[in-house]
Amino acid sequence: LAKTTQPISMDSYEGQEVNITCSHNNIATNDYITWYQQFPSQGPRFIIQGYKTKVTNEVASLFIPADRKSSTLSLPRVSLSDTAVYYCLVGAVSSGSARQLTFGSGTQLTVLP
Amino acid sequence: NAGVMQNPRHLVRRRGQEARLRCSPMKGHSHVYWYRQLPEEGLKFMVYLQKENIIDESGMPKERFSAEFPKEGPSILRIQQVVRGDSAAYFCASSPMVASYNEQFFGPGTRLTVL
Repeated sequence: LAKTTQPISMDSYEGQEVNITCSHNNIATNDYITWYQQFPSQGPRFIIQGYKTKVTNEVASLFIPADRKSSTLSLPRVSLSDTAVYYCLVGAVSSGSARQLTFGSGTQLTVLP
Repeated sequence: NAGVMQNPRHLVRRRGQEARLRCSPMKGHSHVYWYRQLPEEGLKFMVYLQKENIIDESGMPKERFSAEFPKEGPSILRIQQVVRGDSAAYFCASSPMVASYNEQFFGPGTRLTVL
């Protein structure tokens, strides 16, 4: 199983760029890397997904090296409202399985004023 | 377009009672996933369903837990004879397609408390 390892917590200040790295040494060929954000008492919210290299959308960038054994979520210019738990999820859903759809403990990001 | 809906949002049961959690996926979504989250922990996959079919229930306890997604109506997660250890937040997610695609849309969750 592609177990993921993330820092337990990170602190940042408003306006800074935040990079959260996730290690997934046993990632399988078919696995995608997906990041979710979760606020207290809410369900997770999809942020970004990638397979390799770099993916960018309106809220974040995802950097994946060639060996795919890690990935880095980059949040540009964070604000107080970005304080949340960020989960790295590695796995795949196929027609017969939802293999590895298990979130790790996540990274608690706290943005300070 | 309404998001994933779950009800009830909070459910209190005494030990030995049954708990029924309902999930209505987003319009057009035919894939539903159930997760359980214990306090201070990440979400743990329980079961993946399509309409009228259980695709993967590898994360679901073998006893007391069952799930269904009928042709009509919401998906139901049923917990029989609840115990205190079942107290958790249960999240439902839906997606419109499969095949290595992990973008799931989550509901607000049902917080189950077993007294």
